[in-house]
Amino acid sequence: GAVVSQHPSRVICKSGTSVKIECRSLDFQATTMFWYRQFPKQSLMLMATSNEGSKATYEQGVEKDKFLINHASLTLSTLTVTSAHPEDSSFYICSASTGVPGETQYFGPGTRLLVL
Amino acid sequence: QKEVEQNSGPLSVPEGAIASLNCTYSDRGSQSFFWYRQYSGKSPELIMSIYSNGDKEDGRFTAQLNKASQYVSLLIRDSQPSDSATYLCAVNTGFQKLVFGTGTRLLVSP
Repeated sequence: GAVVSQHPSRVICKSGTSVKIECRSLDFQATTMFWYRQFPKQSLMLMATSNEGSKATYEQGVEKDKFLINHASLTLSTLTVTSAHPEDSSFYICSASTGVPGETQYFGPGTRLLVL
Repeated sequence: QKEVEQNSGPLSVPEGAIASLNCTYSDRGSQSFFWYRQYSGKSPELIMSIYSNGDKEDGRFTAQLNKASQYVSLLIRDSQPSDSATYLCAVNTGFQKLVFGTGTRLLVSP
């Protein structure tokens, strides 16, 4: 159980375009979803936390107008990178939690974004 | 002071040896602790969780927690080359968010 999927797994886009990444919990209801970014040889950096039906909470330094997060249902959250630039090229990983206190997060397989 | 600290490594061990990975955390109110394994280019996968003081064993893996010392460790017995990866320690302080360490890179040589 506890399977999380992401789509697409890899995307290449031109600078200035917007890219949408989907994160789905396949076999459980995810009250909370998290979006991380990981640059090469660096650790996971939490970007934002989203609860179903609420606005996302962004970490310090993450531009909420650039990284739009929607968590419209208990099984789907989306991250849209607006007006992407080469410096946004990274590995974006989502995770999901049922919201039970102390429970772990289940990670999706990640989306590798390359902005040319 | 970082909230969750790990030695970045690499930790090199020969095949068949015990690999010992360590993690310290700063928030005494932390309730649950996790070890994730991350292969290069892949997302993290959960390998162990531990919630109370003592040892928890699962196959070749043993997690150890000492809340008084704010210390959690992971032992990997009979290490295999396929265990070569980065191991992330994560701590849940009770607000749903996991705080991750920077990870320890483990290299198991044949």
